[in-house]
Amino acid sequence: QQQVKQSPQSLIVQKGGISIINCAYENTAFDYFPWYQQFPGKGPALLIAIRPDVSEKKEGRFTISFNKSAKQFSLHIMDSQPGDSATYFCAASPTALVSGGYNKLIFGAGTRLAVHP
Amino acid sequence: KAGVTQTPRYLIKTRGQQVTLSCSPISGHRSVSWYQQTPGQGLQFLFEYFSETQRNKGNFPGRFSGRQFSNSRSEMNVSTLELGDSALYLCASKKLPQAGELFFGEGSRLTVL
Repeated sequence: QQQVKQSPQSLIVQKGGISIINCAYENTAFDYFPWYQQFPGKGPALLIAIRPDVSEKKEGRFTISFNKSAKQFSLHIMDSQPGDSATYFCAASPTALVSGGYNKLIFGAGTRLAVHP
Repeated sequence: KAGVTQTPRYLIKTRGQQVTLSCSPISGHRSVSWYQQTPGQGLQFLFEYFSETQRNKGNFPGRFSGRQFSNSRSEMNVSTLELGDSALYLCASKKLPQAGELFFGEGSRLTVL
């Protein structure tokens, strides 16, 4: 019940295309859903995050779509660029009442994105 | 503004030894969390500290421990190392446990031989 399932494991997209990464969760106590980007040799960096009261959030070329009833959320990267090539992780966190905050993130397995020029 | 600083960046130990990893959070951040990253298990939560107190703990054996000092710096310790402890250990900080973005350091890569 703690799992966050992420797909695909790897993704190849042409420059200018749309990259789509999907995640699904089971625990209805989750109420914070961030996406992290990790380059080799670096720690994960927060890209964008959403809470269940919003169905979509957009920041620049990055958009999260959230479907509460299906317990699914996805990351869309518009106009993908070679510099976007990295590993992307979705994550989820239980409510603050349960965890005392949002630090206890449950991560998906990651998606390795390669954007070809 | 300096980011989360972790030392050492790389270390090699042998089975049975113990290791201590250090983390200096971003200035003004009082909450520190630790995560383990491996190819097989991915990113897994180890524990979280705030005000020198452990507030959350992940599903790891008692060989994994940590502490936080009054200046918010944190250390984690792994005793009686096993081959499976080889991993990237990531420290992350935020201003307070209940709010704000979680910033990760670049990690300490531990290899157990």
